[in-house]
Amino acid sequence: QVQLQESGPRLVTPSETLSLTCTVSGDSIYNYYWSWVRQPAGRGLEWVGRIFPGGRIDYNPSLTGRVLMSVDTSKNQVSLTLTSVTAADSAVYYCARGRGLVDSVFYYDMDVWGRGTTVTVSS
Amino acid sequence: SYVLTQPPSVSVAPGQTASISCGGNNIGSKTVHWYQHKPGQAPVLVVHDDYDRPSGIPERFSGSTSGNTATLTISRVEAGDEADYYCQVWDGGSDVYVFGTGTKVTVL
Repeated sequence: QVQLQESGPRLVTPSETLSLTCTVSGDSIYNYYWSWVRQPAGRGLEWVGRIFPGGRIDYNPSLTGRVLMSVDTSKNQVSLTLTSVTAADSAVYYCARGRGLVDSVFYYDMDVWGRGTTVTVSS
Repeated sequence: SYVLTQPPSVSVAPGQTASISCGGNNIGSKTVHWYQHKPGQAPVLVVHDDYDRPSGIPERFSGSTSGNTATLTISRVEAGDEADYYCQVWDGGSDVYVFGTGTKVTVL
């Protein structure tokens, strides 16, 4: 059974860089695409971006210029980097799996999620 | 940008039916997915592609779409169904995943 585990610093200083890692176990990251989704306290879910191990990356336009995603296939990990953070970036960050292309049909849902990691931006 | 609007809250008695709406411009032309999210837990996909259920999701969860509204229906509601529910689509026009505003379901 595939499992996703987010990890990274819980506290980040304003204007600094937030870096998170999602470690995938139980399956190869090659077979799917991977998204990051965040949820500020008391608010709804917000899509951050997605990455295909083959190379394509899409980011939420509201974060363009500050966000980077990458994969490390040797470690079966997906990474998220967010620069110049402010308090508005404080949130629970989730890693989620997208099924992608299955039998010639592309699926846009996220069928497996991690439990999330809480990040607070504060001095 | 594309917007999905859900009612903030829905209350339902055990054994009754809960209906959660998700409004979006011409949402019927998109495929809609629904997630259940309990505090401190990972979100769970309960309906994908408008009305399909992933393996392990009870038949009590069903989805439908018509015109500008998608609906998640939970039949024979149980206490364990109390959670936040989000609809989601892919907006191909801007290559963005869009989540609804979320609905808190309270079981009375």
